[in-house]
Amino acid sequence: GQNIDQPTEMTATEGAIVQINCTYQTSGFNGLFWYQQHAGEAPTFLSYNVLDGLEEKGRFSSFLSRSKGYSYLLLKELQMKDSASYLCAVLDSNYQLIWGAGTKLIIKP
Amino acid sequence: TAGITQAPTSQILAAGRSMTLRCTQDMRHNAMYWYRQDLGLGLRLIHYSNTAGTTGKGEVPDGYSVSRANTDDFPLTLASAVPSQTSVYFCASSRTSGGPNTGELFFGEGSRLTVL
Repeated sequence: GQNIDQPTEMTATEGAIVQINCTYQTSGFNGLFWYQQHAGEAPTFLSYNVLDGLEEKGRFSSFLSRSKGYSYLLLKELQMKDSASYLCAVLDSNYQLIWGAGTKLIIKP
Repeated sequence: TAGITQAPTSQILAAGRSMTLRCTQDMRHNAMYWYRQDLGLGLRLIHYSNTAGTTGKGEVPDGYSVSRANTDDFPLTLASAVPSQTSVYFCASSRTSGGPNTGELFFGEGSRLTVL
């Protein structure tokens, strides 16, 4: 079966750096996506990786290793507004999105 | 630009009653989706439509139906609601299906449904 694993919850301190990991086992691979979802709101697109390596976008970076079935989202200079759930999703060989359950990130002052 | 509009935002429904959740987009996206989100389970695809006039079943289609008469509208109907359908429902769209754009979804604000 297809599976995406990410930690259920993480806690970090304002101003620090946090890395949220995602491992996947899917039928084929056509890209990996990260979404941010604040409590009570809709998910919003953060990043897309299809080739190995690091993609940087401001304070957020996303890394992919296809051979290891592994990605991480790196958040730098954490702000209180970064408190949210972060969803990892993989586009499989049929272009169906497979979603992880999400990682709830708690930022403490 | 409104993007995706869902209605109602919240609803309490008696078991056995029918309900239609409305979804309208103004981005002229080809593909549209209905997801339900339950605590600890993540997003699960109910039904999808790759283009106007076509629909398909997702991971959890039972008890739900959809139609796609035009590009903009994608209503989700519960014919006879049951308590296990209590959830938050998200409508989403993507520019295309079958390519990398498929994974970049634009979501509506969600409809919180409680079935008693």
